Amino acid sequence: EDKVVQSPLSLVVHEGDTVTLNCSYEVTNFRSLLWYKQEKKAPTFLFMLTSSGIEKKSGRLSSILDKKELFSILNITATQTGDSAVYLCAVESLPSGTYKYIFGTGTRLKVLA
Amino acid sequence: DVKVTQSSRYLVKRTGEKVFLECVQDMDHENMFWYRQDPGLGLRLIYFSYDVKMKEKGDIPEGYSVSREKKERFSLILESASTNQTSMYLCASSFRANYGYTFGSGTRLTVV
Repeated sequence: EDKVVQSPLSLVVHEGDTVTLNCSYEVTNFRSLLWYKQEKKAPTFLFMLTSSGIEKKSGRLSSILDKKELFSILNITATQTGDSAVYLCAVESLPSGTYKYIFGTGTRLKVLA
Repeated sequence: DVKVTQSSRYLVKRTGEKVFLECVQDMDHENMFWYRQDPGLGLRLIYFSYDVKMKEKGDIPEGYSVSREKKERFSLILESASTNQTSMYLCASSFRANYGYTFGSGTRLTVV
């Protein structure tokens, strides 16, 4: 059965700390891995990763994929209160000719001032 | 600004009612998806559609049906709402595989 597991489930840090969120997966016919940030409503897109070892960066956020060990990490440096959110990892799978995304349960990050 | 619009943010329905959740996208996307999101369970795929009048079951289709009569609109139907269908429902669309999703704002449905 395809699955995506995120850890930790929740995390509380202080402003300025660096955090690392983990996403491991077991899926049929892996195509890509995506990270989303979800605050009060719709998840917003952060990164899409398709190749191992290539880091994607956007400001204080960065992410990398390891297709051999089947995981990805999302790093946030110099955290701010605005980073408080649920971070979702999703893996694109192509089990039977029609693709779909499988989501992890998310990591809830709270950044304290 | 391109977007996915869900018709209601909050909805309260009675057990046994027929419920329609509407989703409209203005990006000419081929693929549309319905998920439900529950604490501790994450997002689970209910149904998806990769073309007009086409639909495929996701991981938890029981108790739901869908309709896609036009490319821009994908409706989720609860034929007879039950309390275990109380959840946040998220609609998403994508251009094609490997392009990621754009999500709607979600509909928080409470069945009493």
